[in-house]
Amino acid sequence: LAKTTQPISMDSYEGQEVNITCSHNNIATNDYITWYQQFPSQGPRFIIQGYKTKVTNEVASLFIPADRKSSTLSLPRVSLSDTAVYYCLVGDTSSASKIIFGSGTRLSIRP
Amino acid sequence: GAVVSQHPSWVICKSGTSVKIECRSLDFQATTMFWYRQFPKQSLMLMATSNEGSKATYEQGVEKDKFLINHASLTLSTLTVTSAHPEDSSFYICSAEDRRSSYEQYFGPGTRLTVT
Repeated sequence: LAKTTQPISMDSYEGQEVNITCSHNNIATNDYITWYQQFPSQGPRFIIQGYKTKVTNEVASLFIPADRKSSTLSLPRVSLSDTAVYYCLVGDTSSASKIIFGSGTRLSIRP
Repeated sequence: GAVVSQHPSWVICKSGTSVKIECRSLDFQATTMFWYRQFPKQSLMLMATSNEGSKATYEQGVEKDKFLINHASLTLSTLTVTSAHPEDSSFYICSAEDRRSSYEQYFGPGTRLTVT
């Protein structure tokens, strides 16, 4: 299981773009990169998943360089409701495998 | 996406009693479910992997006799905290794998356990 490293916390303001970078130097060939969001007293919620290059959905973009040793979650024009903990996870989704959560990044958005 | 539910959403029990928490996959079958525990301001810690029709696999340091896991059907896994103590007070979260979507995991809303 590839270990991930993220900043412990980040602060930003409403309307700004927020980029959270995750390092995963030991990522394996079959591993995908997945980001989850968690609000207090709730279960994690899937945000986005990717394997390489760039993935975009209605809430975020995920940038993955060619060596795949890191990834960046980009949240455009954040609002107060984006205040949460964001987890970067790496794993092989082609087979049943457990997810090990890292420390996550606590994102605080201010008015 | 797929939905996973947990029941109860919160429970308060007295020290020494046992508490059962249910995890259900509502619109898909899950042969594998996972149980996590989360203390305040900390990350999720994987406790065990629950496989339908077989014994659960526990992570190192998790007492299997204290945290009983039963996965009797493809849509239900239960976690029973036996002889609960105040230090077992935590947020318990389950997740279920949907093989229809490349084993993507869907998380339940969590159960807040408080042992008095």
